[in-house]
Amino acid sequence: DSGVTQTPKHLITATGQRVTLRCSPRSGDLSVYWYQQSLDQGLQFLIQYYNGEERAKGNILERFSAQQFPDLHSELNLSSLELGDSALYFCASSVRDGKGTYEQYFGPGTRLTVT
Amino acid sequence: GDSVTQMEGPVTLSEEAFLTINCTYTATGYPSLFWYVQYPGEGLQLLLKATKADDKGSNKGFEATYRKETTSFHLEKGSVQVSDSAVYFCALSASYSGAGSYQLTFGKGTKLSVIP
Repeated sequence: DSGVTQTPKHLITATGQRVTLRCSPRSGDLSVYWYQQSLDQGLQFLIQYYNGEERAKGNILERFSAQQFPDLHSELNLSSLELGDSALYFCASSVRDGKGTYEQYFGPGTRLTVT
Repeated sequence: GDSVTQMEGPVTLSEEAFLTINCTYTATGYPSLFWYVQYPGEGLQLLLKATKADDKGSNKGFEATYRKETTSFHLEKGSVQVSDSAVYFCALSASYSGAGSYQLTFGKGTKLSVIP
């Protein structure tokens, strides 16, 4: 158990709809990263938040957005869903180890199926 | 941009066989290198890491050495077990633009199946 929790585990929805994925980082971790895992694109970085503020953006579509709340949990919002958005969405939180390296610990993921 | 290339799978080995999964990278600066493992139906688990040239990461019998001259980080295990069956991802992280972001860039993953 990594200590990172994600809800829901599975989500099935229709094209055009909007969903919200939730992530709670490990206790004390200030950074949350979101990744998408799909068969054709592999694992791709979407966006990072650090202590409530957006820190970096990757290959995130304009239809997607995220935020991090004062209690450090994060939500990823996906709107106007398309079939191609079906994927596993992971969040990870990071901690700096004793040698200054940032290790990321992943949640179990949310499997999104768009029909 | 940064990229990671790892050998295509799937790889099928008999129990107690030697495992090598090749990984090479392209990055500016001095990235940290990682191997993550994903068991069926689960999230990614950090297997091992290395942060500078010639560092060797090791865990659970797996090893990988950070080779700057060949930009490689190959994963090895001397004797695999059925329980090692999983997908293995090589990844790198670098601080981008000094912004303090350490997002991971992943390879496409290598599926390992170990048969008794």
